[in-house]
Amino acid sequence: GQQLNQSPQSMFIQEGEDVSMNCTSSSIFNTWLWYKQEPGEGPVLLIALYKAGELTSNGRLTAQFGITRKDSFLNISASIPSDVGIYFCAGHGLLSGTYKYIFGTGTRLKVLA
Amino acid sequence: ETGVTQSPTHLIKTRGQQVTLRCSSQSGHNTVSWYQQALGQGPQFIFQYYREEENGRGNFPPRFSGLQFPNYSSELNVNALELDDSALYLCASSSRTSPYEQYFGPGTRLTVT
Repeated sequence: GQQLNQSPQSMFIQEGEDVSMNCTSSSIFNTWLWYKQEPGEGPVLLIALYKAGELTSNGRLTAQFGITRKDSFLNISASIPSDVGIYFCAGHGLLSGTYKYIFGTGTRLKVLA
Repeated sequence: ETGVTQSPTHLIKTRGQQVTLRCSSQSGHNTVSWYQQALGQGPQFIFQYYREEENGRGNFPPRFSGLQFPNYSSELNVNALELDDSALYLCASSSRTSPYEQYFGPGTRLTVT
């Protein structure tokens, strides 16, 4: 199935470090979303972006909607052990004549205390 | 406020059988989406229901069908199960005022043998 390209695929970082991850697409989206998923649970919405160029923060998380509407990035500042999980981007838009959500491949984050 | 709930939690079926999965949306939410998440992958959008009608569909064959009821709860039906249908099936709900901000349930783990 179709998935957005997310990088890095996984990362190990030290507690206190900043983290950056991004998501790219060949298609234009009207909305970008970032989720975090932990084992045995559904994804939890972190940030929603609605306009090209928009920069939005949620605590230590900051995300931006790319100007071309084909990419987005997520930054986590001063990481802590509970940031461990899989982070997914998702785009929503009109694709092949129907509105749909496309998720990324995920970035697995591991924080070393 | 009650979150999104799904039933059953786990299910084992045999190839060729049919399955029905259920979802209760979060209080105040009128839109429900269904996703398939294979192990190690991001969620794949199956379809979305709004006011009891399909409102967007991903690249899934017609043997994947759904219903939404007047109380906004929903069912996902899969006919003629195949081995590749083994996955975590996630339901997400959203409200009319924030239609793109989806809140996920914990999922139903389907195993097809």
